Amino acid sequence: AQTVTQSQPEMSVQEAETVTLSCTYDTSESDYYLFWYKQPPSRQMILVIRQEAYKQQNATENRFSVNFQKAAKSFSLKISDSQLGDAAMYFCAYTDTNAGKSTFGDGTTLTVKP
Amino acid sequence: KAGVTQTPRYLIKTRGQQVTLSCSPISGHRSVSWYQQTPGQGLQFLFEYFSETQRNKGNFPGRFSGRQFSNSRSEMNVSTLELGDSALYLCASSFTATGLGELFFGEGSRLTVL
Repeated sequence: AQTVTQSQPEMSVQEAETVTLSCTYDTSESDYYLFWYKQPPSRQMILVIRQEAYKQQNATENRFSVNFQKAAKSFSLKISDSQLGDAAMYFCAYTDTNAGKSTFGDGTTLTVKP
Repeated sequence: KAGVTQTPRYLIKTRGQQVTLSCSPISGHRSVSWYQQTPGQGLQFLFEYFSETQRNKGNFPGRFSGRQFSNSRSEMNVSTLELGDSALYLCASSFTATGLGELFFGEGSRLTVL
């Protein structure tokens, strides 16, 4: 069974600084997708960034980028120029190409200090 | 375009009762999945439906059931409620049937079992 591990239950960052959230996963599949989702307090979860495993290039969405290391099964999220609105719980998720379910990590709560 | 709508948003039940939660996906989305979110267990996959067929089921007891209607709306039912069923139940819809699709989440139904 696939597992997703987020080893940092909580992280904090100073506004305008950079922070990296860690995620590792375990799978025997070769083709899959990885996601980072953001869940602000009392608000719905939204997609931050997506990475297809067959792509070697790391995904980037504005201030958000990933470091995808397929051999190491690592998928970290880097947030640059952190803003107060980035404060949320971040979930790393894995989905294989044929399944209809995603496996989520336990989440990392990010605090942004002004 | 309306987002994923979950009803009710909050509900309180007592042990032994049953509950039905509803989810209306984004128009055009045919895949609906359900997750249970608790502080201690993170997001746990319940089940996923595509075109009225349950394609995947998580490791939950038979008290948890679901269905999807021809208009893609989905319901989940929990019978004989236990205290441990208290959680935020999230519904997510996706356009595709496979894992490459982004999940669009509703705001959740927060169930408290007394």
